[in-house]
Amino acid sequence: EVHLLESGGGLVQPGGSLRLSCAASGFSITMYAMSWVRQAPGKGLEWVSTISSSGSIYYAESVKGRFTISRDNSKNTLYLEMNSLRAEDTAVYYCAKHTGDSVLGGGDYWGQGTRVTVSS
Amino acid sequence: DIVMTQSPDSLAVSLGERATINCKSSQSVLYTSNNKNYLTWYQQKPGQPPKLLIYWASTRESGVPDRFSGSGSGTDFTLTISSLQAEDVAVYYCQQYYNTPLTFGQGTKVEIK
Repeated sequence: EVHLLESGGGLVQPGGSLRLSCAASGFSITMYAMSWVRQAPGKGLEWVSTISSSGSIYYAESVKGRFTISRDNSKNTLYLEMNSLRAEDTAVYYCAKHTGDSVLGGGDYWGQGTRVTVSS
Repeated sequence: DIVMTQSPDSLAVSLGERATINCKSSQSVLYTSNNKNYLTWYQQKPGQPPKLLIYWASTRESGVPDRFSGSGSGTDFTLTISSLQAEDVAVYYCQQYYNTPLTFGQGTKVEIK
């Protein structure tokens, strides 16, 4: 059974850093594209970043240069390193498994999310 | 960037009645090489992550009730709930995966009248 479990969220001051993790089970993350999608309080869904099965990486303009997506194949875990955090990065961050190996696909499994709050 | 615009923002439908949600993309999401529309529909209930309902604009995900259907091509798409059930109360999002950045519609909230 496919399962995704995010962790690493919390309260951080503006300009600070956090690393989110998404532990996957039931499949190999190297076989599928994996994404981070966020949702600000009371708002809609916003795509953040994707890593394809081949390792190609894509970012939203709003996080480019500040966030880094990566994966540890041996741990079957996806990461999102977030630096220079801003108040507007406050959101629940979801990891999602794509239906295929490409960024060009929808997410068929999602984690429960981890909350990031950027505030002084 | 491809802008996805849903309508209406919210709708209230009586139990057993039809609910229709529209999604319009600012450019076509149809790949002519494979004749596929790169569009999904998600359902999100309060406090839960999104759930994939429909992909390729009209293919129902395994386990999704057949009262949910997707249609449309190019730039105009529709999600239809043929007979609204109480458990269908949720926010529904369309998303294009034709190119990056992947973009979502703003969401449509479906409630019981």
